[in-house]
Amino acid sequence: NAGVTQTPKFQVLKTGQSMTLQCAQDMNHNSMYWYRQDPGMGLRLIYYSASEGTTDKGEVPNGYNVSRLNKREFSLRLESAAPSQTSVYFCASSEVGQGYFGPGTRLTVT
Amino acid sequence: GIQVEQSPPDLILQEGANSTLRCNFSDSVNNLQWFHQNPWGQLINLFYIPSGTKQNGRLSATTVATERYSLLYISSSQTTDSGVYFCAVEHAGRRALTFGSGTRLQVQP
Repeated sequence: NAGVTQTPKFQVLKTGQSMTLQCAQDMNHNSMYWYRQDPGMGLRLIYYSASEGTTDKGEVPNGYNVSRLNKREFSLRLESAAPSQTSVYFCASSEVGQGYFGPGTRLTVT
Repeated sequence: GIQVEQSPPDLILQEGANSTLRCNFSDSVNNLQWFHQNPWGQLINLFYIPSGTKQNGRLSATTVATERYSLLYISSSQTTDSGVYFCAVEHAGRRALTFGSGTRLQVQP
């Protein structure tokens, strides 16, 4: 099992550009999440999906959109990137309480 | 929303020492997990422990849900234990984890 995979690993964007971060899990989990981690801080929830076809906002959803494409895949889209969105983005999935995280995407917006 | 506070924020140990990390939370929870973020940024789930005590090798954890705290014990620390330890909780109404700000541990040889 690959667990939770994310692409890309690194990305540099200019202000105003758009991009989509991809996430997939092969553990047949219902719940999937997107978090961001800023330097020296814990993770903050952007969006989550409790099951295929549903999505809900987390603590910091502004500037982001998500799509739960199917049970395996959950993507995060930045429509117009801003320097404040420079961060490390983690995707996660869970079942029965235990969470599993992907390796992260390091995004820089200049 | 629920508040999660971890202490201490930073900890430096000599190899072989023991340590206790604490997590306090402001409301009742139905899920509590401890994670280790290694120096390469990978987050590893250590324990799923909404209540009670669990042990895994040199690590153990205790959650006293009625008093709203959890403890992570690291015994005979090794340099590979270095990194950031996060406590994360899930409470009623939000089916996702809220993270504390972490304890940064440095184990020196």
